[in-house]
Amino acid sequence: DAGVTQSPTHLIKTRGQHVTLRCSPISGHKSVSWYQQVLGQGPQFIFQYYEKEERGRGNFPDRFSARQFPNYSSELNVNALLLGDSALYLCASSSDEGIWDGYTFGSGTRLTVV
Amino acid sequence: RKEVEQDPGPFNVPEGATVAFNCTYSNSASQSFFWYRQDCRKEPKLLMSVYSSGNEDGRFTAQLNRASQYISLLIRDSKLSDSATYLCVVVDRGSTLGRLYFGRGTQLTVWP
Repeated sequence: DAGVTQSPTHLIKTRGQHVTLRCSPISGHKSVSWYQQVLGQGPQFIFQYYEKEERGRGNFPDRFSARQFPNYSSELNVNALLLGDSALYLCASSSDEGIWDGYTFGSGTRLTVV
Repeated sequence: RKEVEQDPGPFNVPEGATVAFNCTYSNSASQSFFWYRQDCRKEPKLLMSVYSSGNEDGRFTAQLNRASQYISLLIRDSKLSDSATYLCVVVDRGSTLGRLYFGRGTQLTVWP
């Protein structure tokens, strides 16, 4: 079985541009969460989606948005990119009981804003 | 105050050493606890869950003290391959599926 897949793996954007990151969860997993990890820090929660509905939002500006599709894949969109948005963006997939079993992460998208 | 506090290290130990990492969390209602391992420029990977009764997986032992809001990870007989960053993770009770709170990670280097 494929794990959590994310695309693209690397991305370089210019300040002010827009970016879309994609994630496909493990087959059968209905929950997808997005995390941002800047260098030297632990991942920070951005969004969680379950059954196409937003279940949680972290302390990120409105420039960040996301959605989940009927096949449970997800997109994270970031508008008006800032240098500080440079980070590793991680997608996590979980089953309904993810709170007990833990979460599986994709290999991430490394975004560099110049 | 951060939700999860970890000593960032770095810890530099020789092969065969025993090393312990600690972490504290601020939300007494937190429901689930994990240790994740992250290699350089890779994604975090689940190492083990942490239970109040303590749990052991080979050379790794995790403990949870709910009264003190304290989590620990002990690695015995360290191997070169244990070199990584270890992330303490707490799950918020707020929603059924839970939101992960990460510490900043503790960096471990095992040298020959």
